[in-house]
Amino acid sequence: DAGVIQSPRHEVTEMGQEVTLRCKPISGHDYLFWYRQTMMRGLELLIYFNNNVPIDDSGMPEDRFSAKMPNASFSTLKIQPSEPRDSAVYFCASSHGGAFDEQYFGPGTRLTVT
Amino acid sequence: QKEVEQNSGPLSVPEGAIASLNCTYSDRGSQSFFWYRQYSGKSPELIMSIYSNGDKEDGRFTAQLNKASQYVSLLIRDSQPSDSATYLCAVRVVSSGTYKYIFGTGTRLKVLA
Repeated sequence: DAGVIQSPRHEVTEMGQEVTLRCKPISGHDYLFWYRQTMMRGLELLIYFNNNVPIDDSGMPEDRFSAKMPNASFSTLKIQPSEPRDSAVYFCASSHGGAFDEQYFGPGTRLTVT
Repeated sequence: QKEVEQNSGPLSVPEGAIASLNCTYSDRGSQSFFWYRQYSGKSPELIMSIYSNGDKEDGRFTAQLNKASQYVSLLIRDSQPSDSATYLCAVRVVSSGTYKYIFGTGTRLKVLA
């Protein structure tokens, strides 16, 4: 299995621009998670999906952030408009779910907003 | 009080020694506990999961869980320089029918050759 795939790996954009991050989970995994990692705040869960349905988006920082999962093999995290404080590494992870819920992370997207 | 606490380190141990990493959590409803290793510039990699009180061993790694005292620890035997990384403790809590995943900020481990 190729593991969790994320694109792009690096993104540099200017403040105010729209940014779209993409994720392909491991085939057969029912849960998909989006995390953000910064030095100051560590790893924060933004949102997670179960069977393509958003279950908990309480970690999404504000309305500028949105996430979708149109099918079992694809999800996007969009920031519009982007701000310098959004600069971070964004990880996507997936898992089988259930009682034994081990998550597998993608390589991450390093976002820099200037 | 943070929901999952770890000493940020760095924890320095000589090669061949046992490294002991600790994590405490605040929510007694926590069900599942995980240790991830993260090398600089890389993504977190699952090392071990533990769900019941007691010890769980996997190779050089042993996870220990004590739900009464609300702590989970990771022991690394025969530490190697390649074990130098940040170790993240993660906890899964069920709240109002949904899962909540909380990570600690990690402990940086340095194994000295």
